[in-house]
Amino acid sequence: AQKVTQAQTEISVVEKEDVTLDCVYETRDTTYYLFWYKQPPSGELVFLIRRNSFDEQNEISGRYSWNFQKSTSSFNFTITASQVVDSAVYFCALSEAIRGGADGLTFGKGTHLIIQP
Amino acid sequence: DTAVSQTPKYLVTQMGNDKSIKCEQNLGHDTMYWYKQDSKKFLKIMFSYNNKELIINETVPNRFSPKSPDKAHLNLHINSLELGDSAVYFCASSHLGRPETQYFGPGTRLLVL
Repeated sequence: AQKVTQAQTEISVVEKEDVTLDCVYETRDTTYYLFWYKQPPSGELVFLIRRNSFDEQNEISGRYSWNFQKSTSSFNFTITASQVVDSAVYFCALSEAIRGGADGLTFGKGTHLIIQP
Repeated sequence: DTAVSQTPKYLVTQMGNDKSIKCEQNLGHDTMYWYKQDSKKFLKIMFSYNNKELIINETVPNRFSPKSPDKAHLNLHINSLELGDSAVYFCASSHLGRPETQYFGPGTRLLVL
């Protein structure tokens, strides 16, 4: 069965610091998708990124970057020059391609990121 | 246009009542899902539904039942509500075979008193 572990329950940094959120996953499927979502205090799930298991290229989007390493089953998320608006709960999630992804997403327990001014 | 919508956004009710949460998607997806986020923020899949067929049901009490009048809708009916049902419920949809296309609704916050 698939599993996603976000070992950092809460991280607190001062604004403008860089911060990395860790995500480790387990799956027996060779084809799968990894996701990161942001959940601000308002409660909605904001999609940030998805990667498939065949694409290990790292990605950068503005201050956000993602490091996908199949060798360590990790999909870490880094925010550079953090801002107060980045404060939120961040979820890593996994979807296996088996059964067409009908099993839905398996989420980690989330990391609560607090950016202090 | 909203891709996945849910109504109501907030629902406060008494223990023992029966309630429904509606979900609609206008993305042309063929698979819809319900997730529950508990008080500790843990998100877990409850159901997925494809072509009027329930695909999975992750140890959810039978007081919860998904009802799909058509491909664009998957409503969640809850009977005999209990205090522990208080949570945020998220609807989502995707194309079967393409889990990377999954979109989430805005969530419905249910409070059982």
